[in-house]
Formats: sequence, structure tokens, C-alpha cells
Amino acid sequence: KAGVTQTPRYLIKTRGQQVTLSCSPISGHRSVSWYQQTPGQGLQFLFEYFSETQRNKGNFPGRFSGRQFSNSRSEMNVSTLELGDSALYLCASSLGQERGQPQHFGDGTRLSIL
Amino acid sequence: EDQVTQSPEALRLQEGESSSLNCSYTVSGLRGLFWYRQDPGKGPEFLFTLYSAGEEKEKERLKATLTKKESFLHITAPKPEDSATYLCAANAGNNRKLIWGLGTSLAVNP
Repeated sequence: KAGVTQTPRYLIKTRGQQVTLSCSPISGHRSVSWYQQTPGQGLQFLFEYFSETQRNKGNFPGRFSGRQFSNSRSEMNVSTLELGDSALYLCASSLGQERGQPQHFGDGTRLSIL
Repeated sequence: EDQVTQSPEALRLQEGESSSLNCSYTVSGLRGLFWYRQDPGKGPEFLFTLYSAGEEKEKERLKATLTKKESFLHITAPKPEDSATYLCAANAGNNRKLIWGLGTSLAVNP
């Protein structure tokens, strides 16, 4: 069974640009969550989508947005990139988070801002 | 405020030297406590889910336990390939958010 796939694996951008990251969840999983991971802050929750609807949102500015398609694939967009946006962005999928169903992660997109 | 704290931040063991990692949590309405392993350059890999105090789960050299305030990940006779960062997270309340600890970086020397 294929795992969570994230593309691209690496990305280099400059300040002010925008970026779109893609995530294909495990087949049958309807929930997709996005996280930002940095060495000092750990895993920071961005948002969660379930059946194309944003179900939860973390404390990130509006420059961070996402969406989910009817096939459960998800994209995350960051506009007006800042140096502090450099991080590993992780996508995780689960069946639906009823009674603590585990999330399964992709290997992330490493975003570097110059 | 919901919080998850892991200790120690880093741990170095000799091969075969058993130890435990701690995950303390203060959350309202725990709906699941998760353990993950993360290798450098990779996403977290799911290990265990624990739902209620007293529950235990085992996988090879790893055993996870849960009380009302904390969870332990016991590593028995570790091998170098067990070296990784171990993360715990709590699923709390009705908003389904996961609250993550900062992890314990484990190094096992041969």
C-alpha cells in the first residue's frame, strides 16, 4: 500500500515569492493535515482538511493557505515568502481522526528561503 | 492550556543498555496518546496509540505505557538502528488537534 507522497522534496525560493506544495494521502484516507517543522519549535500544526473542508486551523498568518480536492489530494500555498518560512513541511493523512486514529506522514518538502 | 512535554531532550546509550523516555501531558479529554519515530530527513513514522491509563503496547524492543499524567517508551536492549528522534503527541478534546512534544533524540552507540 503506497504511503503519503509529498512533492517536491526540496525547494529553494527567494523572499516575496510564493510556493505550492502537494500531498497525496494514503488511499482511502480522507483527512489531511499539514505541519511546519523547525529545530527549535518542533511540529507546528497548520491546518487539517477533511472531505474538502478545512476542519481545523493552527495559529499561522493568512499567507499560509490550503485546499483539498475531491480525491483527497491536498495542496498548501505560502505567499509572500519570508526567511522564517524556511522549514520542513510535512503532510499527514488519516482515516478521519475519530477516537484518535493515527496520522501517517510523508517525508516532507524541505523549503529554503534565500 | 493543553501541553505535552518530553524528557530528556537527548539520550545517549550503549548498545544493550535499556532505558525509558518520558512524555508528560496536560490535556483535557485525552482521546489518544501517540508515539512516533523520526529519522533524519524523513517524516515521523507511527509506532503506537494508547487510549487509556494502564494500557501497554509492544513492538520488538519498544514498549509504550500510559498513566493519567504521562506515557513512557521503554527501550529494551537497544541497538544502533534504534537511534532516532522519538516524538509523542496527544489528541485532546473535541477539536481533534494533536498536541506535540519536542521529542527525545536517542543515540545508541555500538
